Amino acid sequence: AQSVSQHNHHVILSEAASLELGCNYSYGGTVNLFWYVQYPGQHLQLLLKYFSGDPLVKGIKGFEAEFIKSKFSFNLRKPSVQWSDTAEYFCAVSIYNQGGKLIFGQGTELSVKP
Amino acid sequence: GAGVSQSPSNKVTEKGKDVELRCDPISGHTALYWYRQRLGQGLEFLIYFQGNSAPDKSGLPSDRFSAERTGESVSTLTIQRTQQEDSAVYLCATSDRTQETQYFGPGTRLLVL
Repeated sequence: AQSVSQHNHHVILSEAASLELGCNYSYGGTVNLFWYVQYPGQHLQLLLKYFSGDPLVKGIKGFEAEFIKSKFSFNLRKPSVQWSDTAEYFCAVSIYNQGGKLIFGQGTELSVKP
Repeated sequence: GAGVSQSPSNKVTEKGKDVELRCDPISGHTALYWYRQRLGQGLEFLIYFQGNSAPDKSGLPSDRFSAERTGESVSTLTIQRTQQEDSAVYLCATSDRTQETQYFGPGTRLLVL
């Protein structure tokens, strides 16, 4: 079965530190890739997505992610985190032509210390 | 416009009782998905509706779980004879015909005692 794994369960950083959250998926065919974020007390919202084209995608709030097909990876990055980035981050995959249902990783909780 | 709404926001029930959870989609969104998030875990897909097509029920964990949606309107997820392991946050998401982005509701937090 297809699966998504996120490397870190909980990451703690100081403000201005750089962030990289790992995400790997297991599926050999065409996929669409997503990062969702859930700020404390808020809904899940889309951070960025990759469907095709340039494998380096930029999202909201200065986040970016790079799709490396050979590594089945879609890591999330931000050069300098802020306290307001404290949230839970979910990587997700949908299989092409299967209705868009998402397969989620288990999530990474990011805590940014001011 | 209004986002995806879900009700109730919280539900506490006794083991063995039936519960019904509701999702109101964004107007015009043809696709509707239900997910479940158990404590400390990622979201798991339950069921997907697309317009009037037959739903994809491949994620439903048992026959105690069922869902309905008429056309592009409200959806209800029903759990019969609830068990403690059904305790979770149940999330609804909808998307337009492109299915490129899913918009999530606030979820219903279900606690089965």
